[in-house]
Amino acid sequence: DTGVSQDPRHKITKRGQNVTFRCDPISEHNRLYWYRQTLGQGPEFLTYFQNEAQLEKSRLLSDRFSAERPKGSFSTLEIQRTEQGDSAMYLCASSLGWTAREAATNEKLFFGSGTQLSVL
Amino acid sequence: KQEVTQIPAALSVPEGENLVLNCSFTDSAIYNLQWFRQDPGKGLTSLLLIQSSQREQTSGRLNASLDKSSGRSTLYIAASQPGDSATYLCASNAGTALIFGKGTTLSVSS
Repeated sequence: DTGVSQDPRHKITKRGQNVTFRCDPISEHNRLYWYRQTLGQGPEFLTYFQNEAQLEKSRLLSDRFSAERPKGSFSTLEIQRTEQGDSAMYLCASSLGWTAREAATNEKLFFGSGTQLSVL
Repeated sequence: KQEVTQIPAALSVPEGENLVLNCSFTDSAIYNLQWFRQDPGKGLTSLLLIQSSQREQTSGRLNASLDKSSGRSTLYIAASQPGDSATYLCASNAGTALIFGKGTTLSVSS
């Protein structure tokens, strides 16, 4: 399977625990995005990477959230001291990215199946 | 700040009907507008991407239009089928990331 892969598919944790999710993008894609989706809502942008550089992290929901993409390959999203309000689907997407404005008009994102987090 | 709104929130139709889903966005300075499909508990599947310079895109029974000046896009589904039942999301791309609407949940009965 050459699509975007996310692991685990489901995570149940107790309030106060730390959790980490992994995303493996499509191999030649240099942009990687993290989104959060709660029931009945559209995906909410959290952060993104261009290769290993994290270019936007102001949308991360709090300082308990952090993301890394070492070596510009897979990425991890960590939530520390989880709260019940963190329960959601966490989605990862990747794209070829763009360097010229013209290419941005055709940027297409490919999403993984998500990690469903339940905080008890 | 870009905001994306989708109407209606839910729609139920009998099989065979043609239908239109609506999407509006507040900032017309977009690179493209994308439509996705999401099945329950699953990720998103890209349906159509309309570049900012384009007016519409077609794929099979799906046709999406874009009117940047009015901040609107529509997704037209012809001859709906039960397999089309899903949530349809539109998203605007203004350069940093896609901004999504809440989606329209479609149910097609046989």
